[in-house]
This record gives sequence, C-alpha cells and structure tokens, in this order.
Amino acid sequence: NAGVTQTPKFRVLKTGQSMTLLCAQDMNHEYMYWYRQDPGMGLRLIHYSVGEGTTAKGEVPDGYNVSRLKKQNFLLGLESAAPSQTSVYFCASRGQLNTEAFFGQGTRLTVV
Amino acid sequence: DQQVKQNSPSLSVQEGRISILNCDYTNSMFDYFLWYKKYPAEGPTFLISISSIKDKNEDGRFTVFLNKSAKHLSLHIVPSQPGDSAVYFCAASRYTNAGKSTFGDGTTLTVKP
Repeated sequence: NAGVTQTPKFRVLKTGQSMTLLCAQDMNHEYMYWYRQDPGMGLRLIHYSVGEGTTAKGEVPDGYNVSRLKKQNFLLGLESAAPSQTSVYFCASRGQLNTEAFFGQGTRLTVV
Repeated sequence: DQQVKQNSPSLSVQEGRISILNCDYTNSMFDYFLWYKKYPAEGPTFLISISSIKDKNEDGRFTVFLNKSAKHLSLHIVPSQPGDSAVYFCAASRYTNAGKSTFGDGTTLTVKP
C-alpha cells in the first residue's frame, strides 16, 4: 500500500523559477489537501479539493495554483517562486467516510 | 488570530510516566478534534480523535479528553515510551466542512529512558 506519495522529496529553486509538486493517492479518496509547514509552526492549508475537477482556496493560497484533473492526483504549482515559499509541503487525502487525513512524506522546497 | 493553540512547545517525561499534551481552541464551530504524531522527515500520522458529542476517547495507551466549555482538549499517554518521542499536533475541524483541519503549532515530546 503506497498511500499518499509526493514527488519530488527535495528541490532547490531559484527566485522566479516555476515548478509543480505532484501528489498521488491510491486509496480512492475524494478529498485532497496541500499544506505547508514552516519551522516551529503547524500546518497551514494552501488549497484543497473535494473531488475530481474541483479546487478551493485554503488559508494561505497566494502564489500557488492547483489542479485535480484525475481523482488520484493533486498538483501544486508555483508560477514564480519566492524565498518566502521556502517550506516543507505536505499533501494529504481523506475519504468521505474517514475522519482523519492521510499524509505524504513531504517535499522540502528551498527557494534561493 | 490563531484558532488552535498548543502553548507548550516542548515536553520531557520519564519512560513509564504519564505525558499530558494540551490544546486550546477559540472557534466554537469546531466539532471534531484530532491528534497527529510526526517523526522527523516523515508526514504526520493520525493518532486519535474525538467528536464534540463526547468528552473522552480512549485507544490503548492514548486518551483524549475534551472540555467544550473551556474549549480545551488534552492527550494523555500512559505509560510513555521512548518511541513516543515525536512532535504532536492538535487539529480541529468542522465535520461537514470537507474535513479541512486547522492545526496547532505542535508540541515536541521527549520520553527519556
């Protein structure tokens, strides 16, 4: 059981570059989420999706875009990376009958 | 304004003793509360949860207590084991709101052998 898989695990970007983080889940979950975690802080919700083809803004959406073209995948895009986006990014998924979320292992992104 | 607060950044206890981690929330609309455990370089994993219709939920060594009037919940670990050393996040959500959770900043628990 792979669960939730994030790609890549690590990345260093230069300011202004773009990139896409991929999240894949094999549990047929309806809900998917992107969080970021900064040092000493909890997880903050960036964007989320309640089903294939739908996305919505979370607490800190600025500078990010998302897409959910397939139920199992949730992509997080940075169009023009900034040093303030240096963080650890976590993807999570949840089924309609679940109360808890299942998290990926995280992507450590550094923007220089 | 932080809606979920874990006021103790760290906690150290001796193996075999009780660990008590605390969490306060401000939004009275929250009706579901979860605790996640996180080891370094891994994603959070679900530990235990409680609905607002209950005041206690127990799962093995882990018990969560909810005091709605005080908007306070706590996680008790008895007995504590060295493998419990991790960061513990309290999270709160509205059950019907797509399960979006608001997280506290976490408490780092160290259990000494």
